[in-house]
Amino acid sequence: GENVEQHPSTLSVQEGDSAVIKCTYSDSASNYFPWYKQELGKRPQLIIDIRSNVGEKKDQRIAVTLNKTAKHFSLHITETQPEDSAVYFCAAPKTSYDKVIFGPGTSLSVIP
Amino acid sequence: DVKVTQSSRYLVKRTGEKVFLECVQDMDHENMFWYRQDPGLGLRLIYFSYDVKMKEKGDIPEGYSVSREKKERFSLILESASTNQTSMYLCASSFPHEQFFGPGTRLTVL
Repeated sequence: GENVEQHPSTLSVQEGDSAVIKCTYSDSASNYFPWYKQELGKRPQLIIDIRSNVGEKKDQRIAVTLNKTAKHFSLHITETQPEDSAVYFCAAPKTSYDKVIFGPGTSLSVIP
Repeated sequence: DVKVTQSSRYLVKRTGEKVFLECVQDMDHENMFWYRQDPGLGLRLIYFSYDVKMKEKGDIPEGYSVSREKKERFSLILESASTNQTSMYLCASSFPHEQFFGPGTRLTVL
């Protein structure tokens, strides 16, 4: 079955610097990779996703890249701000019916 | 705006009690999920439902059951609560791929 690994587990950056979180997956048939952000005390929310027919997708300061050959995908946040501080989860599909398996999460701290 | 609500934000129960966690969504989504969230383990799927009265086990179904009698409501049942079920429980619904989460129920089993 699908397995998702995520690194690093914690990440601290200075405000304005970039942050990169990387995930690897095991099932080569996977074709949809979402990223969720969970602020402290709040519910996870989808921030960006990518499908396997594209290599990169950008939305303002966030971008996701996908390397199908290596079976990894990454979240890039540029010009980080304190409000980017949160736990970020990557995910990959698990069989059918829109189930996904989540990575263990990365706790990002942006230091003002 | 999709709204997913859960019956309780905090719940304290005793070992052996039967516990019901309720989840309601208002967007007519077919798929609904129950996860538990523990530090360092991410979101682990307990059960999944893709239609009324249809359910499928997730990765950690032991000690849990579910009920989906109506499309908008998905209930998680702990038949006999144990201390290792102390956790944050998150409900979600989805269509087609994006999952919309409820606020979570922090359950403590004493």
